[in-house]
Amino acid sequence: GAVVSQHPSRVICKSGTSVKIECRSLDFQATTMFWYRQFPKQSLMLMATSNEGSKATYEQGVEKDKFLINHASLTLSTLTVTSAHPEDSSFYICSARKSGYNEQFFGPGTRLTVL
Amino acid sequence: QKEVEQNSGPLSVPEGAIASLNCTYSDRGSQSFFWYRQYSGKSPELIMFIYSNGDKEDGRFTAQLNKASQYVSLLIRDSQPSDSATYLCAGPTQGGSEKLVFGKGTKLTVNP
Repeated sequence: GAVVSQHPSRVICKSGTSVKIECRSLDFQATTMFWYRQFPKQSLMLMATSNEGSKATYEQGVEKDKFLINHASLTLSTLTVTSAHPEDSSFYICSARKSGYNEQFFGPGTRLTVL
Repeated sequence: QKEVEQNSGPLSVPEGAIASLNCTYSDRGSQSFFWYRQYSGKSPELIMFIYSNGDKEDGRFTAQLNKASQYVSLLIRDSQPSDSATYLCAGPTQGGSEKLVFGKGTKLTVNP
């Protein structure tokens, strides 16, 4: 199997607070994890690529100081949205890739609402 | 910027019919392609991947890759209402890259 979990599934927070989202590969070791954001009726937009034990690689236009990524182990990556604002409200989805495979397996996503 | 283009649809087919979803890509060096299904409000789910020219069949799904023409398609036979979803085509951002670029998706509705 290739099961990826995310926590929390839904979060509502006040503007200015920080929110941490966890992504775990449950039955495999993920050499690489990816973080995406999806706004309503739009496609997935890659935010960053996360490799265990090294700094994340951010896509152009994504602020690394605002979206902090930590990939502490081969089964866990976290995304922290710092000083969240209403425009950060979105569906955040992680995916994980097994070593030697090209497929990405997605977590169930986290719906963030910033008031 | 490597691109993956999909007909955004929407595509509507009657139950039992064949649904045909198409995708073109700009990077001739791309080797692998993926089809994901995304139900409304949910995250994408991998349906199929294809690396070689030709057809790959898995149950009611057939993926087709034509590298010369740079297109990849997904056929769904005996379409069911439960197949109603948005289908995303994805390919590597550049040949050999682990990052994927996604098309905008085609929304499929299967009418009972």
